[in-house]
Amino acid sequence: AQSVTQLDSQVPVFEEAPVELRCNYSSSVSVYLFWYVQYPNQGLQLLLKYLSGSTLVKSINGFEAEFNKSQTSFHLRKPSVHISDTAEYFCAVSISGNTGKLIFGQGTTLQVKP
Amino acid sequence: KAGVTQTPRYLIKTRGQQVTLSCSPISGHRSVSWYQQTPGQGLQFLFEYFSETQRNKGNFPGRFSGRQFSNSRSEMNVSTLELGDSALYLCASSSGQNTNYGYTFGSGTRLTVV
Repeated sequence: AQSVTQLDSQVPVFEEAPVELRCNYSSSVSVYLFWYVQYPNQGLQLLLKYLSGSTLVKSINGFEAEFNKSQTSFHLRKPSVHISDTAEYFCAVSISGNTGKLIFGQGTTLQVKP
Repeated sequence: KAGVTQTPRYLIKTRGQQVTLSCSPISGHRSVSWYQQTPGQGLQFLFEYFSETQRNKGNFPGRFSGRQFSNSRSEMNVSTLELGDSALYLCASSSGQNTNYGYTFGSGTRLTVV
């Protein structure tokens, strides 16, 4: 069975500082990896995804994540955060070629302080 | 292009009642998935439909059911509501048959059982 562990439940950081949100997964088969962001009282928004190819994937708003197969990790990073990045971030996996089912981590709340 | 629409946004029901939640996917999307989000259990997969067929199901009791119509709109039903069913219910749609296409989430229906 697949599982996802987000190692930090809360990450406080000052504005313009770098941040890393950690995600490890467990799976005996090939997986796709995703990061979603959730703002208060809203649904989930896809931030970025890794399907195959280059292990470094980037979003349009400055986030990036690197797939590390040997360490089964998919950590999310941003070199300089803004107040508006304050939200909950979810790492998720799905089995390659499977249908519809995403397995989510417990989420990491990113708190950006001025 | 309109996003995923979930109705109603908020719902209060009494224990023992039943409830129906609705999800209208993005136009052209044929896959619809449902998730339950609670503070304790996080995001859990309920079921997924593609072209009116349930293709995948999570580990929820039979009180939770769903269906998809020919226009891809989906409903989920919870019968004999329990206090523990209080949650944010999220619907997600995708254009493809596999999760590599990515899922777009709605804003959710917040169900409170009293």
